[in-house]
Amino acid sequence: SQQGEEDPQALSIQEGENATMNCSYKTSINNLQWYRQNSGRGLVHLILIRSNEREKHSGRLRVTLDTSKKSSSLLITASRAADTASYFCANHQETSGSRLTFGEGTQLTVNP
Amino acid sequence: NAGVTQTPKFQVLKTGQSMTLQCAQDMNHEYMSWYRQDPGMGLRLIHYSVGAGITDQGEVPNGYNVSRSTTEDFPLRLLSAAPSQTSVYFCASSYAGGLLNEQFFGPGTRLTVL
Repeated sequence: SQQGEEDPQALSIQEGENATMNCSYKTSINNLQWYRQNSGRGLVHLILIRSNEREKHSGRLRVTLDTSKKSSSLLITASRAADTASYFCANHQETSGSRLTFGEGTQLTVNP
Repeated sequence: NAGVTQTPKFQVLKTGQSMTLQCAQDMNHEYMSWYRQDPGMGLRLIHYSVGAGITDQGEVPNGYNVSRSTTEDFPLRLLSAAPSQTSVYFCASSYAGGLLNEQFFGPGTRLTVL
């Protein structure tokens, strides 16, 4: 069963606005990763945050991790139409060995 | 570097047919994996390998076989295709340390089983 859950399932915003997506998980993790998938394409890695980190930045992306709440959020600032895609979180659980568990994704639409 | 390549891009099979989905990477990655993605769902792990000669089952391994005779290649075999295996299949790889690092994904193979 899926251990990662994204919220919301779909998000529609205007260009220039910020987009926030949330992800929850159920067990202790080693790290949590965010990926982007454009329609009909493979997944592209965005950012990885380790369990001992609380916040990471990469360009217009900001990821936070709250291990006490077992949740993470991805913030995209000053969104662009090109940010339209599905965004997935994936967690590496401490007890899962070499498995990465993906959530069901958030479909982000940025309207020009 | 070509990264992770997958062939074919599209495939249509009849129920009961067998086929092999190819995956290759030229980054000398030790860890490779196969996922399937179904509409409205995230990716589910089918099989994975932490190095040449070593494979293990993921979340949904039934109906699929894998082998890892070289570091570069990780083919996925469908033994007897079923309509439930209609999906998009992604291969991924990463550096030594497996899931401690980012995964590099191939472009996917879209499979339809009639």
